[in-house]
Amino acid sequence: QKEVEQDPGPLSVPEGAIVSLNCTYSNSAFQYFMWYRQYSRKGPELLMYTYSSGNKEDGRFTAQVDKSSKYISLFIRDSQPSDSATYLCAMGHMDTGRRALTFGSGTRLQVQP
Amino acid sequence: GAGVSQSPSNKVTEKGKDVELRCDPISGHTALYWYRQSLGQGLEFLIYFQGNSAPDKSGLPSDRFSAERTGGSVSTLTIQRTQQEDSAVYLCASSSWTSDYNEQFFGPGTRLTVL
Repeated sequence: QKEVEQDPGPLSVPEGAIVSLNCTYSNSAFQYFMWYRQYSRKGPELLMYTYSSGNKEDGRFTAQVDKSSKYISLFIRDSQPSDSATYLCAMGHMDTGRRALTFGSGTRLQVQP
Repeated sequence: GAGVSQSPSNKVTEKGKDVELRCDPISGHTALYWYRQSLGQGLEFLIYFQGNSAPDKSGLPSDRFSAERTGGSVSTLTIQRTQQEDSAVYLCASSSWTSDYNEQFFGPGTRLTVL
């Protein structure tokens, strides 16, 4: 079993829809949670990060973490065609000896105009 | 400022040949990572360098893979006797230890195809 599970999609939605992207994880030692966005033929770029359970909002994006269920989500409101990309969840430890991130496999999102 | 750069952007090689992939991290970033991204598999950690410490090689899939980082900056990932299953996008990332949450900045990747 992978440490981080993510539905690969593809997920196709109409412009303006609310999008929900999710990951589950098995390692309770993860201390911070991130969402990266990756456009085709580009490297991933950080979209949001959070340490604690609860919600964090940034514009049209909301990251949600439920540590008790080992479940994280990214919500995109008023989705735009420019949001079409692969979204990767990532998790890490603050322990300085383990700085590499553990990534989900990514969910490909297509927003139709 | 300049981001992480990688070269070449694409590499096609024949099975059994050696390849070298290069990464130039963001200036001043002390940590450097190599990941491999196969179709539908997400990012697989390969190796991590931090300053002058011994690298964390725990993700290297076989002894055909090696990496070095010269002068705490540029890194080269070498794959010897390439196999078809080595075909993937190889991503390099760098980060600064000033942030707790370890934001990693990625390069565009090198797309390796082994025929």
